[in-house]
Amino acid sequence: EDQVTQSPEALRLQEGESSSLNCSYTVSGLRGLFWYRQDPGKGPEFLFTLYSAGEEKEKERLKATLTKKESFLHITAPKPEDSATYLCAVMYNQGGKLIFGQGTELSVKP
Amino acid sequence: GEEVAQTPKHLVRGEGQKAKLYCAPIKGHSYVFWYQQVLKNEFKFLISFQNENVFDETGMPKERFSAKCLPNSPCSLEIQATKLEDSAVYFCASSPSTDTQYFGPGTRLTVL
Repeated sequence: EDQVTQSPEALRLQEGESSSLNCSYTVSGLRGLFWYRQDPGKGPEFLFTLYSAGEEKEKERLKATLTKKESFLHITAPKPEDSATYLCAVMYNQGGKLIFGQGTELSVKP
Repeated sequence: GEEVAQTPKHLVRGEGQKAKLYCAPIKGHSYVFWYQQVLKNEFKFLISFQNENVFDETGMPKERFSAKCLPNSPCSLEIQATKLEDSAVYFCASSPSTDTQYFGPGTRLTVL
């Protein structure tokens, strides 16, 4: 069964304390891996798409990387406004259906 | 528009009543996807459309759920005879292709 697992479930950081979120997948025939940010009461906000192992994407304090089995979302010197739930989703066929992980709830304290 | 629009924001129905949710995709996007978010972060794919044609309906419950995307109208997701377990946030997403999907703000359905 195709699965996407994110860890940790929750992460508390001090402002400026860098860390990484993990997304591991057991999906055959990966077409794309997507990272989203979701704030309470809102829809997922697109961050990155990764297509092949070795690929990296960066945006401000965030950097996403991809291997054949997992993806990491690195957060460098986070700020309180980075607090949110970060969702990883995998697309494995041409139909576009996304399989989501359970998310990592990030809290950054000043 | 530049964002996916969903209406209503909140919907409350008594068990057994009908619920209808609407989604206007980003202008120029030909793919529309519906997802159900139950509990905190459990997203479940329901159905997708390419223009007005069903593209993938493997996640749609066979009974009670139906969806349409008609030309020049918002897409809709309808639940006949709602049940308590239908309580969830329903998200619509659109895409110019079967690639990156852009999500709307969601409709929170509460079934009492």
